Amino acid sequence: AQTVTQSQPEMSVQEAETVTLSCTYDTSESDYYLFWYKQPPSRQMILVIRQEAYKQQNATENRFSVNFQKAAKSFSLKISDSQLGDAAMYFCAYRSGGAQKLVFGQGTRLTINP
Amino acid sequence: NAGVTQTPKFQVLKTGQSMTLQCAQDMNHEYMSWYRQDPGMGLRLIHYSVGAGITDQGEVPNGYNVSRSTTEDFPLRLLSAAPSQTSVYFCASTRAGTGYGYTFGSGTRLTVV
Repeated sequence: AQTVTQSQPEMSVQEAETVTLSCTYDTSESDYYLFWYKQPPSRQMILVIRQEAYKQQNATENRFSVNFQKAAKSFSLKISDSQLGDAAMYFCAYRSGGAQKLVFGQGTRLTINP
Repeated sequence: NAGVTQTPKFQVLKTGQSMTLQCAQDMNHEYMSWYRQDPGMGLRLIHYSVGAGITDQGEVPNGYNVSRSTTEDFPLRLLSAAPSQTSVYFCASTRAGTGYGYTFGSGTRLTVV
């Protein structure tokens, strides 16, 4: 079974700085997808970014980018120019190609210091 | 566009009571799932469905029941509530096919006393 591990329960960063959240996963599959979700205090789960395993190019969405290292099974999220609104729980998630289920990591709580 | 609608947002139950958490989506998504979120454990899959009339168990199915009579609705039933079922519950849906992200409802905070 696939597993996803987020080893940083909490992170903090100064406003306008850059922060990187770590995620590793374990799988024997070659076809899969990786996601980062943001959960602000409102509790809503918001999709931040998505990466296809077959693509070598790292995904980018505005200030959010990933460092996808397939051989190392690592999928970190970089947030540039951190803003107060970025404060949230961040979850890394894995989905097998063609499968229905998402497997989540334990989450990282990100605090932004003004 | 309503997306995924969950009701209620909050609920307190007594041990042994039963209840149904409602979930509806208006995006014509084939796949729907129920997750529970507990501190330090991320989200864990309870049950899922790949289409009307088709359901299957996830990682933590015990004490829960589901059915999918229409594409839009996917209710989650707690048969006899236990304190261990105190959690935040999320319904989510996505298109069939590979690699799409899920759209989540706003969650239900359930407390069993």
